[in-house]
Amino acid sequence: EIVLTQSPGTLSLSPGERATLSCRASQSVSSSYLAWYQQKPGQAPRLLIYGASSRATGIPDRFSGSGSGTDFTLTISRLEPEDFAVYYCQQYGSSPYSFGQGTKLEIK
Amino acid sequence: QVQLQESGPGLVKPSQTLSLTCTVSGGSISSGGYYWSWIRQHPGKGLEWIGYIYYSGSTYYNPSLKSRVTISVDTSKNQFSLKLSSVTAADTAVYYCARDRAANAFDIWGQGTMVTVSS
Repeated sequence: EIVLTQSPGTLSLSPGERATLSCRASQSVSSSYLAWYQQKPGQAPRLLIYGASSRATGIPDRFSGSGSGTDFTLTISRLEPEDFAVYYCQQYGSSPYSFGQGTKLEIK
Repeated sequence: QVQLQESGPGLVKPSQTLSLTCTVSGGSISSGGYYWSWIRQHPGKGLEWIGYIYYSGSTYYNPSLKSRVTISVDTSKNQFSLKLSSVTAADTAVYYCARDRAANAFDIWGQGTMVTVSS
């Protein structure tokens, strides 16, 4: 099983700032099948990025994904108030699929 | 617009079987090209993938739960279901169903249903 490690565990930033979230895999992620999800309290996760860098339908262009192999990054260029949430990475290239433990993005 | 909705008991006794159903609306589960997954989230914790099913009935389960999990599909009702046997308090979680669009990851999720295992 591929283990995903996200860092930092918590990120404290202000609206308008840039956020950089990291996801490192214990082995190479097949075909860059790496996704990012946003989850707000009491809600289901929402797909933001798939295939490491493709934005899902309706996702603002301030969200971008990059990386390959074992190192991936989610960048939010200018934080909006609604972006403060928990973010998870997921690999779906090898079964069993696995998720990172999450990064909480909180308002500073 | 495809939507998913989980349903089932919110309380299950220890050692019994947890049974949940996911109803797909706005599209056919048999249309192909999608896998249908179950994921759970323990209170205040991260996400754990349980397994998936294709409309043909082929399945893949997370090895960590494989001995207790059965996922089935009923194409006539446009539903797929989860059964988890011999539950304990450690199975208390929010259970989500989701559409797995293969290369495009889990693009549609149900709202989730909380299941508590307690006597």
